Amino acid sequence: EVQLVESGGGLVQPGRSLKLSCVASGFTFSNYGMNWIRQAPGKGLEWVAYISSGSSYIYYAETVKGRFTISRDNAKNTLYLQMTSLRSEDTALYYCARQGQLMDAWGQGASVTVSS
Amino acid sequence: DVLMTQTPVSLPVSLGGQVSISCRSSQSLVHSDGNTYLHWYLQKPGQSPQLLIYRVSNRFSGVPDRFSGSGSGTDFTLKISRVEPEDLGVYYCLQSTHLWTFGGGTKLELK
Repeated sequence: EVQLVESGGGLVQPGRSLKLSCVASGFTFSNYGMNWIRQAPGKGLEWVAYISSGSSYIYYAETVKGRFTISRDNAKNTLYLQMTSLRSEDTALYYCARQGQLMDAWGQGASVTVSS
Repeated sequence: DVLMTQTPVSLPVSLGGQVSISCRSSQSLVHSDGNTYLHWYLQKPGQSPQLLIYRVSNRFSGVPDRFSGSGSGTDFTLKISRVEPEDLGVYYCLQSTHLWTFGGGTKLELK
């Protein structure tokens, strides 16, 4: 069974940093690209970042470019999202999602609240 | 950036009824490889989104044939027939021709 489990969320002050992790199991992690998608409270889905299977291709949404860094460790089956210079508008549930031909598996999300 | 516009925002339905959701993109979603990367997801209350339809009209594994997708270019439609209670939630379209962009969502709820 494909499983994606996010962790690392929490309450953080504006301007500070936070690092999310997503541990994958049930599939060959190194064969898949991965995404981070977020959902602000009561709002819709927003794609945040993508990383290819071997980390050669990385893309970001304009809203996070220069502040967030996506990375992965295929030996540890783990995806990361390093978030810096956090703003109140970054408050959201952050999902990791597998990207093969399709974005077909999602985790349950890690909650990030940016507030003083 | 590609803008995805979904209508309506809210869609009341009676069980057993039929509904349609529209998704329009600000530019063509036909990829240089000839495919159109427009997909549909359902997010049930308290759950992560689940894939329903991929590349316009293909049902994902386990998705009942009550769900159908159609469209081309910039204009796409999701139809749900014989609506059941488990179909309630928020539907999103997603384009992945030009990076990734979600539509704003359509909440399917009981009349």
